[in-house]
Amino acid sequence: DAMVIQNPRYQVTQFGKPVTLSCSQTLNHNVMYWYQQKSSQAPKLLFHYYDKDFNNEADTPDNFQSRRPNTSFCFLDIRSPGLGDAAMYLCATSSRDRGYHEQFFGPGTRLTVL
Amino acid sequence: AQKITQTQPGMFVQEKEAVTLDCTYDTSDQSYGLFWYKQPSSGEMIFLIYQGSYDEQNATEGRYSLNFQKARKSANLVISASQLGDSAMYFCAMNSNDYKLSFGAGTTVTVRA
Repeated sequence: DAMVIQNPRYQVTQFGKPVTLSCSQTLNHNVMYWYQQKSSQAPKLLFHYYDKDFNNEADTPDNFQSRRPNTSFCFLDIRSPGLGDAAMYLCATSSRDRGYHEQFFGPGTRLTVL
Repeated sequence: AQKITQTQPGMFVQEKEAVTLDCTYDTSDQSYGLFWYKQPSSGEMIFLIYQGSYDEQNATEGRYSLNFQKARKSANLVISASQLGDSAMYFCAMNSNDYKLSFGAGTTVTVRA
């Protein structure tokens, strides 16, 4: 089945230790998104790629970076995680296959910062 | 700017009954899309239903229907015949001239046996 895959599902890191979360898709969608979601809150968009074009949200901290080496893969790098970065990180993809951009989400990576 | 409002932080519903989740939105765009997502405790966001601003009929997907009232800028989700597996957080979201979603704060639904 076509899908959005995130690895790992659970990640534990130490304060200040860089961490990379990965996302892959078999949907061949041209847009990929990274969201941060804290407990009982709505997802917050960090950035997205439209094809190879990177689009950062204005309030995304510099601590968060992203790479998209090809259509299928996208990475979220947190350069120096703080305690406040503990959250669920959701990857999503979309295209206009159905005439509108329906976003398909991966299962998420739950990040713990010790 | 777009804004989505979900005024119900939490709701309880009896199994097999219907439940309506409220969603109002604010946008100056003429063309936009409205979405509902379900998020169980496992964390995955599951797409439920879509309504385009120019769609004349209310969207339906199985037990889910969207009560779209354009003049009132509301897009309420109706879940019929609730099941225990419907217990989750539900988010209303919209996009307009771009593909980015604006989410509401969410409503937690708990289905009681």
